[in-house]
Amino acid sequence: AQSVAQPEDQVNVAEGNPLTVKCTYSVSGNPYLFWYVQYPNRGLQFLLKYITGDNLVKGSYGFEAEFNKSQTSFHLKKPSALVSDSALYFCAVRPRGDGSARQLTFGSGTQLTVLP
Amino acid sequence: KAGVTQTPRYLIKTRGQQVTLSCSPISGHRSVSWYQQTPGQGLQFLFEYFSETQRNKGNFPGRFSGRQFSNSRSEMNVSTLELGDSALYLCASSLAGDGYEQYFGPGTRLTVT
Repeated sequence: AQSVAQPEDQVNVAEGNPLTVKCTYSVSGNPYLFWYVQYPNRGLQFLLKYITGDNLVKGSYGFEAEFNKSQTSFHLKKPSALVSDSALYFCAVRPRGDGSARQLTFGSGTQLTVLP
Repeated sequence: KAGVTQTPRYLIKTRGQQVTLSCSPISGHRSVSWYQQTPGQGLQFLFEYFSETQRNKGNFPGRFSGRQFSNSRSEMNVSTLELGDSALYLCASSLAGDGYEQYFGPGTRLTVT
């Protein structure tokens, strides 16, 4: 079965500084990888995904993520954080191929707080 | 294009009752998934439907069921409600294919008393 780990429940960063939200996964084969963001009392919003190709994926609102196959990681990054980036971030993985248990599995979430 | 809509947005039910939640996907999306979100368990997958067929099912008891209609709209039902069913229930839709991102609705906040 697949699993996703977000080792940090909380990440604090000063506005203007770079931010990283960590994600590692466990799944057989090459999975599809996703990042979502959730603002209070809202559903999740899609940020970016890795399907294949370039290991650096660019997404919405200036976010990017780096896929590292050897470390089974997919860390979310942004060069310069904004206060408005403060939200709950989820990493998700979905196995490829046929068969059952191919659902999207989410990590536990990381609360990002950008301090002014 | 209109987003995913979920009705109702808020529900208060009593233990033992049943509840039906509704989800209308983005036009053209044929895949609909349901998730339960709680502070303790996080986001947990309930089930996924595609073209009126259940493709995947999460590890939830049989009290949780769902269905999808020919217009891709979906409903989920929870029977014999328990206090632990209090949660935010999220619906998401996507194009066919596992590599496509899911688009989430605002959720239905269910409170069981």
